[in-house]
Amino acid sequence: QQPVQSPQAVILREGEDAVINCSSSKALYSVHWYRQKHGEAPVFLMILLKGGEQKGHEKISASFNEKKQQSSLYLTASQLSYSGTYFCGTGSNTGKLIFGQGTTLQVKP
Amino acid sequence: DTAVSQTPKYLVTQMGNDKSIKCEQNLGHDTMYWYKQDSKKFLKIMFSYNNKELIINETVPNRFSPKSPDKAHLNLHINSLELGDSAVYFCASSHLLAGGVHEQFFGPGTRLTVL
Repeated sequence: QQPVQSPQAVILREGEDAVINCSSSKALYSVHWYRQKHGEAPVFLMILLKGGEQKGHEKISASFNEKKQQSSLYLTASQLSYSGTYFCGTGSNTGKLIFGQGTTLQVKP
Repeated sequence: DTAVSQTPKYLVTQMGNDKSIKCEQNLGHDTMYWYKQDSKKFLKIMFSYNNKELIINETVPNRFSPKSPDKAHLNLHINSLELGDSAVYFCASSHLLAGGVHEQFFGPGTRLTVL
């Protein structure tokens, strides 16, 4: 079952914050976040394991709420380079990732 | 450079042809994958190999056949290409982290256009 991401699209000004949510109808084993720029490959951002852990990468962090079967990606003080499509993927012990439909983020000067 | 590489980057072909996409990783990973990304950016797993053994085989037409000659290579052969096969195909590889999760990295992609 594909996880659902919200919102579908976000437009920000440089320096503003954003939150992208990823919800699953199934119990989560792990959540993987990627950013993809137009015409490029998805780039790994971080992995979260069940246990409510929060991980950080530059000014991007994420949380994992096992009870709510949800993960959220937090982008603070956004930069132009943050523009792209963000995907969450729900993982399993086989490595299989099921990706959400993506959230397009546009950061304007 | 250590990375996941794919060839070719672009592939334009006629319906009915057979084509192959090659993937190589020099990251020392044990597991490799093929994903398909359609025009709506939906990214879907197709196959996965672990140490040359097929471990994930999603509902993909049997015109698609992956082959892993060794754990550093995973190729994708497509027979009788159809218009609907037009997409970007990504290869990925992963290694196992503590906690039993796979940290996965993607290749640059192959844009396949079927005319």
